[in-house]
Amino acid sequence: QPVLTQPPSASASLGASVTLTCTLSSGYSNYKVDWYQQRPGKGPRFVMRVGTGGIVGSKGDGIPDRFSVLGSGLNRYLTIKNIQEEDESDYHCGADHGSGSNFVLWVFGGGTKLTVL
Amino acid sequence: QVQLVQSGAEVKKPGASVKVSCKASGYTFTSYGISWVRQAPGQGLEWMGWISAYNGNTNYAQKLQGRVTMTTDTSTSTAYMELRSLRSDDTAVYYCARVLLPGWFDPWGQGTLVTVSS
Repeated sequence: QPVLTQPPSASASLGASVTLTCTLSSGYSNYKVDWYQQRPGKGPRFVMRVGTGGIVGSKGDGIPDRFSVLGSGLNRYLTIKNIQEEDESDYHCGADHGSGSNFVLWVFGGGTKLTVL
Repeated sequence: QVQLVQSGAEVKKPGASVKVSCKASGYTFTSYGISWVRQAPGQGLEWMGWISAYNGNTNYAQKLQGRVTMTTDTSTSTAYMELRSLRSDDTAVYYCARVLLPGWFDPWGQGTLVTVSS
């Protein structure tokens, strides 16, 4: 099964941009990854799915246009432009391991805590 | 709107069992699966297992095999997660989430804090 690696922390100034990275383990370059936002004290919220071709499907409800994704090799990126205070959250990446609708298991990265300066 | 509402916080002693409920509304319950995910204090997300609300098929995380059971009650659109032989490192917030066919989780429940302490 894949292993997902995320840096534990990131920071960006109000109004700036930041790119968060989720790295898949070797051999899983064709896997798609899901990004989730978790605000302090809240449950996670689906942001969007990303593959090597970019976004897969639609963004989650209420996710602003400032959020975008890219995928390259083993890396899956979430970019936030014009950062706002409400973007300060933990961002988790996750992936399912299976075939079509035959889900076997899911894995998550360790999460990245984004601080807005 | 689509919503998952979980049962309230629990405090359990080591060795006991806990059963958390997750009531779904706003969609056809049997059309989607439910996954359970937990988050220990200050830690990341850990996938626990998945259940099909259509036929009750389950897949559990290997490390929890034998201690966890997931069930559904389609008459009340409610999913349940029972964890047995609780240990202190089971202390966590437990989330349920609807699993959409492509495989992502949306939405999530509000979470249930389970504290295991003697």
